[in-house]
Amino acid sequence: GQNIDQPTEMTATEGAIVQINCTYQTSGFNGLFWYQQHAGEAPTFLSYNVLDGLEEKGRFSSFLSRSKGYSYLLLKELQMKDSASYLCAVRDSNYQLIWGAGTKLIIKP
Amino acid sequence: TAGITQAPTSQILAAGRSMTLRCTQDMRHNAMYWYRQDLGLGLRLIHYSNTAGTTGKGEVPDGYSVSRANTDDFPLTLASAVPSQTSVYFCASDPGQGADTQYFGPGTRLTVL
Repeated sequence: GQNIDQPTEMTATEGAIVQINCTYQTSGFNGLFWYQQHAGEAPTFLSYNVLDGLEEKGRFSSFLSRSKGYSYLLLKELQMKDSASYLCAVRDSNYQLIWGAGTKLIIKP
Repeated sequence: TAGITQAPTSQILAAGRSMTLRCTQDMRHNAMYWYRQDLGLGLRLIHYSNTAGTTGKGEVPDGYSVSRANTDDFPLTLASAVPSQTSVYFCASDPGQGADTQYFGPGTRLTVL
C-alpha cells in the first residue's frame, strides 16, 4: 500500500528553527509537495520538490532524497503565525496526490 | 481573480437526503479534484477529473458522484447521505499532469445527522 508518515505534533519556540520530516512509500514518484493549513482554512502551497536536494524560499526550505523516500520542511526564524498544520503529499505514478495526516506545529513565545 | 469557490460554506443534512456541493474555478485549469478531510487522517481523494468531459474514481468514491460538463464547474453529489460522510470537503484544481501546484477552495463543512 501507499503510505506517507509525518509526526503528529511538534512544538517550537518563536525565533527558533524547526524541521518537519516526511517519509513515504508510494507506487511511483512524480514530485513531493508541502502545504500549510491553518485551523479551519484550506491548505496553501509551500513547496514542490521533484529532484533531490534543497529548495529554499525565504524562511522555508524543503529537502528531498528520492533514494531514501524522505523529505523535510525547514522553517527558520519562527513566527507565531507559523502555528499551523504542515501537510506532506507525494504525486504517485497515476499523478494523484497521496497525503500524510499532517504535522501540527505549535509555536510558543 | 477568485480562484476556486465552493458552496455552501457549511451544511447540516439529514441522513438519507441528497445534496450537491458546488465547486467553480476561474483559472481555466484542466484538472479538478474533490477531497475529504477527517481529523487524524490525511486528505483523501474522492473523485477527480483530468479534463472536461472525463471523471475518475479516487481512494474513497463510494456514496459520491461527480460530473464535469465544462472546464469551470465540478459538482459533487451525495445521493443518500450517511453520518460517515460528515467531513470537510475541499475542491482543488491544477493545470494538469506535472503541475507543480494544486490550488484549493475554502472548503465545505458537512454534518450528516
